[in-house]
Amino acid sequence: EAGVAQSPRYKIIEKRQSVAFWCNPISGHATLYWYQQILGQGPKLLIQFQNNGVVDDSQLPKDRFSAERLKGVDSTLKIQPAKLEDSAVYLCASRSLQGLTDTQYFGPGTRLTVL
Amino acid sequence: RKEVEQDPGPFNVPEGATVAFNCTYSNSASQSFFWYRQDCRKEPKLLMSVYSSGNEDGRFTAQLNRASQYISLLIRDSKLSDSATYLCVAGFSGGYQKVTFGTGTKLQVIP
Repeated sequence: EAGVAQSPRYKIIEKRQSVAFWCNPISGHATLYWYQQILGQGPKLLIQFQNNGVVDDSQLPKDRFSAERLKGVDSTLKIQPAKLEDSAVYLCASRSLQGLTDTQYFGPGTRLTVL
Repeated sequence: RKEVEQDPGPFNVPEGATVAFNCTYSNSASQSFFWYRQDCRKEPKLLMSVYSSGNEDGRFTAQLNRASQYISLLIRDSKLSDSATYLCVAGFSGGYQKVTFGTGTKLQVIP
């Protein structure tokens, strides 16, 4: 079974530029998450989709971050404009909609450096 | 107060030692608990789910104490390959599963 795919793996941009990340979850997984992980910290949830609807975006900085999951499969996360403090690893995870104990499967992440 | 709190460590232990990590959670409505392992510059991977009755998987034992709102992870006979960051996760369902990760506890097993 193919895992969660993310691209690009690395991205370096200057502050105030825009950047977009892509995620393809495990086939059939209804729930998709985007996390931000700053060095030395745990993953922080940015947004959670169930199929193509948003169920939690309470920690998404909506003035600069946006995400969509058209057709309930792939998802993109965009930052516009980027700030220095956005330097982090952006992790995508997916989970099947079976029960509370189902695990999340993470992609390899996109490492963003904002200069 | 953070929703999920862990001692960041690092815990430096010799090979063969037993080491235990605790994690506290603040939301009493939490229903699901997990330990994830994260290697340096890699993504988190599920180590084990934590059940009310506790569970064991080889050298790893996880326990849940609902009254005190903490979960624990015990690693026996530590191996060099156990060196990683261990992330505690607590979740609940309010129509959808919401999980919160702790900051992680770093373990370094030394020869």
